[in-house]
Amino acid sequence: DGGITQSPKYLFRKEGQNVTLSCEQNLNHDAMYWYRQDPGQGLRLIYYSQIVNDFQKGDIAEGYSVSREKKESFPLTVTSAQKNPTAFYLCASSRKRTGNEQYFGPGTRLTVT
Amino acid sequence: AQKITQTQPGMFVQEKEAVTLDCTYDTSDPSYGLFWYKQPSSGEMIFLIYQGSYDQQNATEGRYSLNFQKARKSANLVISASQLGDSAMYFCAMREGLYFGNEKLTFGTGTRLTIIP
Repeated sequence: DGGITQSPKYLFRKEGQNVTLSCEQNLNHDAMYWYRQDPGQGLRLIYYSQIVNDFQKGDIAEGYSVSREKKESFPLTVTSAQKNPTAFYLCASSRKRTGNEQYFGPGTRLTVT
Repeated sequence: AQKITQTQPGMFVQEKEAVTLDCTYDTSDPSYGLFWYKQPSSGEMIFLIYQGSYDQQNATEGRYSLNFQKARKSANLVISASQLGDSAMYFCAMREGLYFGNEKLTFGTGTRLTIIP
């Protein structure tokens, strides 16, 4: 079955530690995205990548970093510089054409204490 | 200014009734796309329906239809014959500039729909 996997579903970290969230897709999509969702809010774009070895900052990139070494994978690192890292993180992918919908993974809920 | 506005934080609807979820948007780009997503309590975002700014007809997908009123900048989602499984958060989203290399989506704050048996 094609889809997007994110692991783990729940992640707990101590303040000051970097943490990497995994996102893998087998849909052969070119573009991949990371969003953050806070309680009662919509999704906000952190980073996105349209091709391998290239990515762009979204609206809230500060305190985050990404890499895109393979088409299938787009890991997100939440660094200690991110002031409020506790949130629900969603990864998505899409084909590169107009009108294309984004397909989402199941999400990772990160709690930093 | 908010690019996507969803004014209904929560709605309660009787099972089998139709429901309309409101969405207004703000853009100066003549080329844009509007999306609706459903988010059940599990958290995953499920794509429901898409409307392009140049599409002549309102989009329909099964029980979902999009009431697109371009002059009013509204893109309301209509769910016919609601079911208990429709209970979820619903998000409206917009992509401005339908050209290759620009796939960013801006989301509204969502509407929580609860279907009552």
